[in-house]
Amino acid sequence: GAVVSQHPSRVICKSGTSVKIECRSLDFQATTMFWYRQFPKQSLMLMATSNEGSKATYEQGVEKDKFLINHASLTLSTLTVTSAHPEDSSFYICSARPGPPDNEQFFGPGTRLTVL
Amino acid sequence: KNEVEQSPQNLTAQEGEFITINCSYSVGISALHWLQQHPGGGIVSLFMLSSGKKKHGRLIATINIQEKHSSLHITASHPRDSAVYICAVKFPSTDKLIFGTGTRLQVFP
Repeated sequence: GAVVSQHPSRVICKSGTSVKIECRSLDFQATTMFWYRQFPKQSLMLMATSNEGSKATYEQGVEKDKFLINHASLTLSTLTVTSAHPEDSSFYICSARPGPPDNEQFFGPGTRLTVL
Repeated sequence: KNEVEQSPQNLTAQEGEFITINCSYSVGISALHWLQQHPGGGIVSLFMLSSGKKKHGRLIATINIQEKHSSLHITASHPRDSAVYICAVKFPSTDKLIFGTGTRLQVFP
């Protein structure tokens, strides 16, 4: 089946630093990748949608300068949390979609970010 | 009112029991996903449905388009089935998935 990986799985950083999270589709090409955020005991919240080679589309309320998304290839998207603060601590999950006619989304294992 | 509603929110079962989790949505959809999230956090996609029924091992997912309702069934439940089960729908006019709030299942030996 289709596999999506994320790296790192867990990261702890100091306030003010930037953190990059990678999302890779391992055995398929992903024309679209999605980034989600999940707070404890809550459901996933879509942050942004990125299509390969174009700028990401951010959801209302998500700061594009804070959460930089790059989808430079059909198998890799990155999310950079810039100048991280403790309130950015969360579980970040990506998903990848091959593209028409396959509309299924395949989810990564997630990255737990803790900002001290 | 949420566009996607799941019931029950919490479910406790004894090993071997038959489990049903329900998902209802408000308007027509193009696809419905059932996802499983274990305590460690990673999400596994169990099924994507647009009509009918799918089966994989002990898991069965059904969808009734007219009634805007889907069910996830687990036969012969096992403690390793303990997880949060999430229903997510894709509406035709959008690229996004809309998620239900999840059903927390605990299966005891």
